[in-house]
Amino acid sequence: SQQGEEDPQALSIQEGENATMNCSYKTSINNLQWYRQNSGRGLVHLILIRSNEREKHSGRLRVTLDTSKKSSSLLITASRAADTASYFCATADTGFQKLVFGTGTRLLVSP
Amino acid sequence: DAGITQSPRHKVTETGTPVTLRCHQTENHRYMYWYRQDPGHGLRLIHYSYGVKDTDKGEVSDGYSVSRSKTEDFLLTLESATSSQTSVYFCAISDQGRLNEKLFFGSGTQLSVL
Repeated sequence: SQQGEEDPQALSIQEGENATMNCSYKTSINNLQWYRQNSGRGLVHLILIRSNEREKHSGRLRVTLDTSKKSSSLLITASRAADTASYFCATADTGFQKLVFGTGTRLLVSP
Repeated sequence: DAGITQSPRHKVTETGTPVTLRCHQTENHRYMYWYRQDPGHGLRLIHYSYGVKDTDKGEVSDGYSVSRSKTEDFLLTLESATSSQTSVYFCAISDQGRLNEKLFFGSGTQLSVL
């Protein structure tokens, strides 16, 4: 299976701290995407990084991709209580025929 | 939720009954997807569509069928519901040049099969 595996499964931090979550996958990919899910809601696309990119930024988000290690990390800087959510990585295979989601990291940001 | 409406939001049904979930989009996006979300499994693709009347199976398609007669509507049918189909179902859409990029999700349908 190409399923992404997020680490840690759960993360608890204080407002203002940085949050880092990791994703590992098993086979070659075209791109890797990160999504956020607030409780009881659908997923929201955050950022997409292609296999030929190493780092990407969007606001307080920074994503890195290391294809040699088959891993990615999502960094949220200066966390806010509103960042409390589950975060999922999803990998698209090179044929674009599959987008496979991991099981997610639950982030709790306390005021 | 990016012009995606799922209906119903909640449904309780009995084993063996047929169930249809509806996804309606106002974005005129080409691609539509049905996923189910279960604890410990993340999201798993059931079926997807790449145009009107063009659909294909996903990872967990057994027991499910889909139809897309109009760009804006994608229906998911459980012909004979089973307890293992109790789940949260999400519809998603995308309109990039490639399938499976930057999906927008609906709010989900909580289905309980008793």
